[in-house]
Amino acid sequence: GAVVSQHPSRVICKSGTSVKIECRSLDFQATTMFWYRQFPKQSLMLMATSNEGSKATYEQGVEKDKFLINHASLTLSTLTVTSAHPEDSSFYICSARGRRGLGNEQFFGPGTRLTVL
Amino acid sequence: KNEVEQSPQNLTAQEGEFITINCSYSVGISALHWLQQHPGGGIVSLFMLSSGKKKHGRLIATINIQEKHSSLHITASHPRDSAVYICAVTSYGKLTFGQGTILTVHP
Repeated sequence: GAVVSQHPSRVICKSGTSVKIECRSLDFQATTMFWYRQFPKQSLMLMATSNEGSKATYEQGVEKDKFLINHASLTLSTLTVTSAHPEDSSFYICSARGRRGLGNEQFFGPGTRLTVL
Repeated sequence: KNEVEQSPQNLTAQEGEFITINCSYSVGISALHWLQQHPGGGIVSLFMLSSGKKKHGRLIATINIQEKHSSLHITASHPRDSAVYICAVTSYGKLTFGQGTILTVHP
């Protein structure tokens, strides 16, 4: 199957700093990328959807100025958590959906665990 | 009521047992996904199906569109199958996730 990578896999930062997470589709062109967050023992929650070359669409309750999403190319999307606070500590997962040949399937990245001290 | 409901929430089995995890949904869907999440957190897509049945190794997934129900079966379960299994449905381009089923297989 198609491969999606995330970097870093784990990050610890101080409160008030910004953290950038990269999501790459390694062997296909991702026309749409999704960003999720997952709190312990809870299901994934969609944060935003981004299409290449256009602004991300954020879900209700997700602050777009705090969670900056850039989808500048068909293989790369970035999520920047600005002025991170301890309550932003979570597991962030991206997924990518490709062109028509890959149908409706989403391919998931391995996730990034963010800990804000 | 959640749009995607899984049962059971927790499942414990002995190695070798046949396992079934159920998923019911209440919305119109274009596809249903079964995902596996190991303790490290990474998610692996096991199946995507919109009708019928799919098989991959010891895993079988079925879906009944009329009844809005899907099942994931694991034959000859093994401790390495221990993980969280998540059912998710694609509806109008978005994925909605079930709460997951925590499977523990003891040797």
